[in-house]
Amino acid sequence: EVQLVESGGDLVQPGGSLRLSCAASGFPFSSYSMNWVRQAPGKGLEWVSYISGTGGSIFYADSVKGRFTISRDNAKNSVYLQMNSLRDDDTAAYYCARDYCTSTSCRYDYWGQGTLVTVSS
Amino acid sequence: EIVLTQSPATLSLSPGERVTLSCRASQSVSSYLAWYQQKPGQAPRLLIYDASNRATGIPARFSGSGSGTDFTLTISSLEPEDFAVYYCQQRSNWPRTFGQGTKVEIK
Repeated sequence: EVQLVESGGDLVQPGGSLRLSCAASGFPFSSYSMNWVRQAPGKGLEWVSYISGTGGSIFYADSVKGRFTISRDNAKNSVYLQMNSLRDDDTAAYYCARDYCTSTSCRYDYWGQGTLVTVSS
Repeated sequence: EIVLTQSPATLSLSPGERVTLSCRASQSVSSYLAWYQQKPGQAPRLLIYDASNRATGIPARFSGSGSGTDFTLTISSLEPEDFAVYYCQQRSNWPRTFGQGTKVEIK
């Protein structure tokens, strides 16, 4: 059974840092790209970042570029999101999502339950 | 950045009714569009990928159509468990973007 479990969410002051983790199980982790998607309270979904299976390809939303860093450890079946210089508008539930790709198609087929990040003084 | 505009923002319907949700892209995304369903307190769930392909385990009452800039998600007959928020997402370009969502609520 595929499982994605996020952790690391917390209350942090503006300007602070936080590292989120997503532990994966039930599939060959290194064969899959992974994403972080966030959702501010009462708002819609916002894609945050992508990392390929090898970690060689990485993309970020403009809103987090230069502040957030995505990484993965395939030996630990985990993907991470290092968040620095946090702002009030980074407050959100953060989901990791598996990117299932065939030769012609990709989609986010499994999602974690989310971890809540609150940025407030 | 490709902007996805969903309409309407909210639909008030009764079980058994047919639902049509719209997603319009600011530029062509070919068929690289997915639909997700989200219920309160839950993670999103993949319904449709590549505009018209149902994901594993998704009931046949859900269907998707469209290409280029105009897409539709149709629910042929609303079941009680279908009341939720629906999002479209494009994977044609970086950054990946979502529409703002359509809430389907009980009338």
